[in-house]
Parts: sequence; C-alpha cells; structure tokens
Amino acid sequence: DTAVSQTPKYLVTQMGNDKSIKCEQNLGHDTMYWYKQDSKKFLKIMFSYNNKELIINETVPNRFSPKSPDKAHLNLHINSLELGDSAVYFCASSQSPFSYNEQFFGPGTRLTVL
Amino acid sequence: SQKIEQNSEALNIQEGKTATLTCNYTNYSPAYLQWYRQDPGRGPVFLLLIRENEKEKRKERLKVTFDTTLKQSLFHITASQPADSATYLCALGDDKIIFGKGTRLHILP
Repeated sequence: DTAVSQTPKYLVTQMGNDKSIKCEQNLGHDTMYWYKQDSKKFLKIMFSYNNKELIINETVPNRFSPKSPDKAHLNLHINSLELGDSAVYFCASSQSPFSYNEQFFGPGTRLTVL
Repeated sequence: SQKIEQNSEALNIQEGKTATLTCNYTNYSPAYLQWYRQDPGRGPVFLLLIRENEKEKRKERLKVTFDTTLKQSLFHITASQPADSATYLCALGDDKIIFGKGTRLHILP
C-alpha cells in the first residue's frame, strides 16, 4: 500500500501548455504539501493545505493553482508552462501542520518543459 | 533572510567509519530540526527529529545533535555501510519547515 502516491511519474510537455499533477495519501493525515525540487536539488515548499484549507502559499507564480477536493487529495494545476518550470514536484503529507510532524513524501513527478 | 547550509555537497567516507554531516543555520530560531534521507529518483524519507531543548537524539546507528547557541546540528552515522549512501537533508521547523540543499554521502567499500 503506497502511503503517498502521485501521478504521473513523468510529464514531458511543450511550453505554453497546461498540465495537472495529482496526489493522494491514505494515511489519514490532515495536512498536505507541494514541493518543487530544481536541478540543484533544492527542495522548496510551494503550498500547504490543512483540512482542505490553504495555509501556506509561498511566492509562486499564479500560473500554479493547487486544489484540495478532500483531505486525502491535493492536485496541482499549472497553466502556460515555461522552461523554468522543469523540475521534480513532490507531494507530501503530515498528521498536522505543525513542524514537529514528520512529512511523508510521494515518489515525485518529473516535469520537463520543452 | 533565513539561511540553511549543509557543510558540503558531497562527502566520501570509508565503510565502517563514522560519517558526520553538518547543518548550520542563520537568522532563524527553529523549535525543531529534522533529518531526511533521499535516494536518487525518490522522495525524502524521515529519519529523526530533535527539539530545541534536546541536545542529542539516537536511533540505531544514527545520532543527531542540536546546538542552538552555535546554530548547528550534526548528523552521525556510525559503522557506515555502502547502503547508507544517499543524500541527507536537514529541515528546520517553526511555523513551517525549510529544507537545506542536502549532502550527498558516498560510503566507499
């Protein structure tokens, strides 16, 4: 049983396209996150949701729109893709939003924008 | 601005020796510090958490220290094995978690 799953694992697309990444967790956690890991391996938080409510929204272009239909799902939609969006995107979850909670990460989605 | 530095991008250690990784931070007073392991093509996996009022935490061959005066955490792997080769990330937490860039550890057989 995969705790945090993401689809797709790989995404190759042209500049200007719109794409979505889906994430699901079966751990019963309240909090979910999207992270971006760039080519320099720096893992940076983008968004966090707690019980379907947005609680962290870092400085991210508004082309990125997260959506949490329920506690177990957090999707990421990206409009008008740019070359600089190429990265690995990780979804994660934790029991609550407090920083003493360990985070459980998905396997990542490698996005390549051509 | 808040800054986290992990000592080196890569570290080579002979099998059986103790590997020590460093995490330094500035302009930050985290209540918690976490260490994660990341293998190539996979997401990070949680290893240990240490609180600001704890000096040291151990788990099997792993030991973490947290010095809030020096603003530094040390992560030790004793009796290192080739299977310990991975990237290790420190993460500081207060209202949210911020990750360091990681150190790639190679344990040489």
